[in-house]
Amino acid sequence: KQEVTQIPAALSVPEGENLVLNCSFTDSAIYNLQWFRQDPGKGLTSLLLIQSSQREQTSGRLNASLDKSSGRSTLYIAASQPGDSATYLCAVRSHGGATNKLIFGTGTLLAVQP
Amino acid sequence: GAGVSQSPSNKVTEKGKDVELRCDPISGHTALYWYRQSLGQGLEFLIYFQGNSAPDKSGLPSDRFSAERTGGSVSTLTIQRTQQEDSAVYLCASSSTGQNEQFFGPGTRLTVL
Repeated sequence: KQEVTQIPAALSVPEGENLVLNCSFTDSAIYNLQWFRQDPGKGLTSLLLIQSSQREQTSGRLNASLDKSSGRSTLYIAASQPGDSATYLCAVRSHGGATNKLIFGTGTLLAVQP
Repeated sequence: GAGVSQSPSNKVTEKGKDVELRCDPISGHTALYWYRQSLGQGLEFLIYFQGNSAPDKSGLPSDRFSAERTGGSVSTLTIQRTQQEDSAVYLCASSSTGQNEQFFGPGTRLTVL
């Protein structure tokens, strides 16, 4: 059974710092991995999607890497801003099977202090 | 539409009542998903529709939960005889195929008194 873990559960940094969020999964047979952000009381906003054949994806100040064999992904945020404050979730779609459901981690609550 | 929409945004109901939650996926998306987000449980999969294929209902927590998707577009999640433990945010997502990036709606916050 696929399990997804995110560390740390919460993180507080001063504005301008670079930071890394971690995601690990127990079954390396994944189809893809997706990073989301969730603002309080809101839905999920997709940030980056990494296919299993890819090593990383970049969007602006965000860079996500994937090491499928070790069951790990990281989300790197450069030059953090107060507007980056949110909960960050990673989710994996396991390979095979009829369903395309995402298995979510429990999230990292990020606070960027001005 | 520009994105996935859900209605209502908030629903308060009494224990034992039935509720219906609606999801309008992104136009042209063939895959539609329902998830539930509750305190202590995180985000969990409920049901998945792909085109005309039989839905994957493996995540539905009990037979009080059902969902349908009419005309390959709008979906309705129905919860019968609601219980307090059904209180959660119900999120809908769609993707252009079953394998691609999933885009989420704003969710419906359900409170069962």
